[in-house]
Amino acid sequence: IAGITQAPTSQILAAGRRMTLRCTQDMRHNAMYWYRQDLGLGLRLIHYSNTAGTTGKGEVPDGYSVSRANTDDFPLTLASAVPSQTSVYFCASSDSAGGPDTQYFGPGTRLTVL
Amino acid sequence: GQSLEQPSEVTAVEGAIVQINCTYQTSGFYGLSWYQQHDGGAPTFLSYNALDGLEETGRFSSFLSRSDSYGYLLLQELQMKDSASYFCAVRAGSARQLTFGSGTQLTVLP
Repeated sequence: IAGITQAPTSQILAAGRRMTLRCTQDMRHNAMYWYRQDLGLGLRLIHYSNTAGTTGKGEVPDGYSVSRANTDDFPLTLASAVPSQTSVYFCASSDSAGGPDTQYFGPGTRLTVL
Repeated sequence: GQSLEQPSEVTAVEGAIVQINCTYQTSGFYGLSWYQQHDGGAPTFLSYNALDGLEETGRFSSFLSRSDSYGYLLLQELQMKDSASYFCAVRAGSARQLTFGSGTQLTVLP
């Protein structure tokens, strides 16, 4: 059982290029999230999905898009990367069945946009 | 919107007790969570408080005062492996999204 996997682990990308960060979970959680983490700014929510087929915007959605075609996968796409999108990206999931809303995080993708 | 404040750095010695405070401003408060993140690693869930009072999980405890919009994480019998960043996070209303604080870097000295 892997939990949440993310790919790639790291990537260097030229500005203006399109990039999709992949996220897959095997816990059958309803809700999934994408965060970016920059030094001194903590984790900021980019987009979320409460259930397959639905998505919503978080705190910093501009320049990013997501889709949720099924329960397990939640890819994040940068349509035209810019240097300010250099960050560490974490995918997370949670079970909406109740309880403390524990979020489980993937290992992260370190993205550098030049 | 939501905002959280926590100290940026805390230093303590092995075996000591340390308290990391978190104050928050939010509408429709639902609960306060704490996460731990080691350098280069993923955040991992530590504790959650929805009601006032203290929740204890082994060496870690978390406290919440809803009337003061304040909580803290208490780490006892500090070990070197506790050196990490600690984030408080609030859930506001029926939405399941969390807003995270900027994190507190805890350094445990021998």
